[in-house]
Amino acid sequence: SYVLTQPPSVSLAPGQTARIPCGGPNIEAKSVHWYQQKPGQAPVLVVYDDSDRPSGIPERFSGSNSGNTATLTINRVEAGDEADYHCQIWDGSSDQAVFGGGTKLTVL
Amino acid sequence: QVQLVQSGAEVKKAASSVKVSCKASGGTFYNHGISWVRQAPGQGLEWMGGLIPIFDKRNYTPKFQGRVTIVADKSTNTAYMELSSLTSEDTAVYFCARGGFPGAFDSWGQGTLVIVSS
Repeated sequence: SYVLTQPPSVSLAPGQTARIPCGGPNIEAKSVHWYQQKPGQAPVLVVYDDSDRPSGIPERFSGSNSGNTATLTINRVEAGDEADYHCQIWDGSSDQAVFGGGTKLTVL
Repeated sequence: QVQLVQSGAEVKKAASSVKVSCKASGGTFYNHGISWVRQAPGQGLEWMGGLIPIFDKRNYTPKFQGRVTIVADKSTNTAYMELSSLTSEDTAVYFCARGGFPGAFDSWGQGTLVIVSS
């Protein structure tokens, strides 16, 4: 089955740019979606289809997908961005959703 | 924007079953698909299975095949997930989410905590 790999944690200071990778074999051939999850809350979709943003999501959030790595980029990180971020694809060969292990973003 | 409201927390004995509901308002999941995703304490998200009612198409991940049943009631705009043969490893928060097959999950329920005691 398809496996998505994320680093467990990323830490940076406010105002910096966060880049959260999501690795998988030839992931560029798949549509990657990203979710933000704050403690005790349900996930929220922040980027879909590699780089599109749902309405209401700030332009600071963007996504890209190339080769074996998709990346969620958060510009000018704020304290309110501190959360777990999960990548997800749909594995067409098995017709199943697959999630990465999640990355905890800490704003120092 | 559709809202998904789930049933309340459950405490179950090992070997029993649990059934969690997910009611949609302000929209429907009938032609979008509905999935169930669980999150064990301190862990990541795990897709269990889902269905797209308009095509009566459903799929479950092999880990839960045979133990999980996902159904939808069009008349009440409600989806249900039943998990049987519970063990302590099933203690988790269970979320319903609209979408998949193969799009993103654009709306999520608030989550239902299921605690399994031995």
